[in-house]
Amino acid sequence: KNQVEQSPQSLIILEGKNCTLQCNYTVSPFSNLRWYKQDTGRGPVSLTIMTFSENTKSNGRYTATLDADTKQSSLHITASQLSDSASYICVVSRLTGTASKLTFGTGTRLQVTL
Amino acid sequence: GAVVSQHPSWVICKSGTSVKIECRSLDFQATTMFWYRQFPKQSLMLMATSNEGSKATYEQGVEKDKFLINHASLTLSTLTVTSAHPEDSSFYICSARRPGQGQYNEQFFGPGTRLTVL
Repeated sequence: KNQVEQSPQSLIILEGKNCTLQCNYTVSPFSNLRWYKQDTGRGPVSLTIMTFSENTKSNGRYTATLDADTKQSSLHITASQLSDSASYICVVSRLTGTASKLTFGTGTRLQVTL
Repeated sequence: GAVVSQHPSWVICKSGTSVKIECRSLDFQATTMFWYRQFPKQSLMLMATSNEGSKATYEQGVEKDKFLINHASLTLSTLTVTSAHPEDSSFYICSARRPGQGQYNEQFFGPGTRLTVL
């Protein structure tokens, strides 16, 4: 069964601290893995997207890693800011014939506090 | 680039009425758009895939006669919730696929529409 599991479910950290979010998936055949940030009441915004051959990608203070062998990904946030408070969603794309289909994780709710 | 808008951003309606939500790709042409629904503290669930000029493909369990999708142009798809009921209250999000991205095949999401049915 194609699934994406994220941990932790929620996380509270102090401003300025780093954190790492985890994503494990069983999606096949794998096409790419994306991390999105979703603010409350808003649509998801893409942070990174990685294909099979890419094992790390950065976007500012966000760095994603991908281990396609173990089917794991992580999103590391450096020097967190209050504006980082949001849900972070791991999404894996799989190929279905000529189309692709997305499988969404349930997200990690991050709260950055003073 | 790659901006997707939705209108309205929120809507409140009475039970039994129909509501139309628009999804537009502002700076690119999208042959394929997607409609998702998201309940509180849950992830996005794909409702249907909308292809320009053809009928939408609905996911299992989604009533096509209740959720009417029209993709009449390369920049506009609409979702009409017919005879809405309180259980249809949700956050509806569209996305658009921008062609020519090779292996990334990325979807760009709209800001969402909050539907509340009284």
